Amino acid sequence: GAVVSQHPSWVICKSGTSVKIECRSLDFQATTMFWYRQFPKQSLMLMATSNEGSKATYEQGVEKDKFLINHASLTLSTLTVTSAHPEDSSFYICSAQYGSTNEKLFFGSGTQLSVL
Amino acid sequence: RKEVEQDPGPFNVPEGATVAFNCTYSNSASQSFFWYRQDCRKEPKLLMSVYSSGNEDGRFTAQLNRASQYISLLIRDSKLSDSATYLCVVILYGNKLVFGAGTILRVKS
Repeated sequence: GAVVSQHPSWVICKSGTSVKIECRSLDFQATTMFWYRQFPKQSLMLMATSNEGSKATYEQGVEKDKFLINHASLTLSTLTVTSAHPEDSSFYICSAQYGSTNEKLFFGSGTQLSVL
Repeated sequence: RKEVEQDPGPFNVPEGATVAFNCTYSNSASQSFFWYRQDCRKEPKLLMSVYSSGNEDGRFTAQLNRASQYISLLIRDSKLSDSATYLCVVILYGNKLVFGAGTILRVKS
């Protein structure tokens, strides 16, 4: 079946550094990928929709200059958390859509970011 | 009011028990509904879609009540491996999924 690979799984970094998270669709082309954030005991919150070859669409309240999204190819989207601070510590997860139906939505394994 | 609301639980049940979760949604224009399962710090995995006619997959049964704007998930003959967080997911528009906060299920021997 379709697989989405997300790296890294864990990141521990100092405050002020930037962190890049990659999301790859391994055996299909994904024109649309989604980035979510999940704080402990809370639901996944959509941060942005990443469209190949165009600018990402950010949800209300998400700073586009802080969370840079690049979807340069049909199989790769990246999320860069710039100048990370402790409040950015969270579980970040991507998903990629295969085909046109919502049931064909595959998730990456997530990235736990801890900012010291 | 949240777009998707769930009882966070936890629901602690013995093996073999039947357990049911409900989820309410606020937007009557919602089109698609799903139940996902999420294990601790893992990615969500699609459990089943939810249709107005109801659907069943083995020990799992999902129902949609559009009039009351809620969906349900019934798990029969609970197994230890069913322990997880169950996420109610609604498609409001486009392909954007809105997740509920999840209901924790703990099945104990």
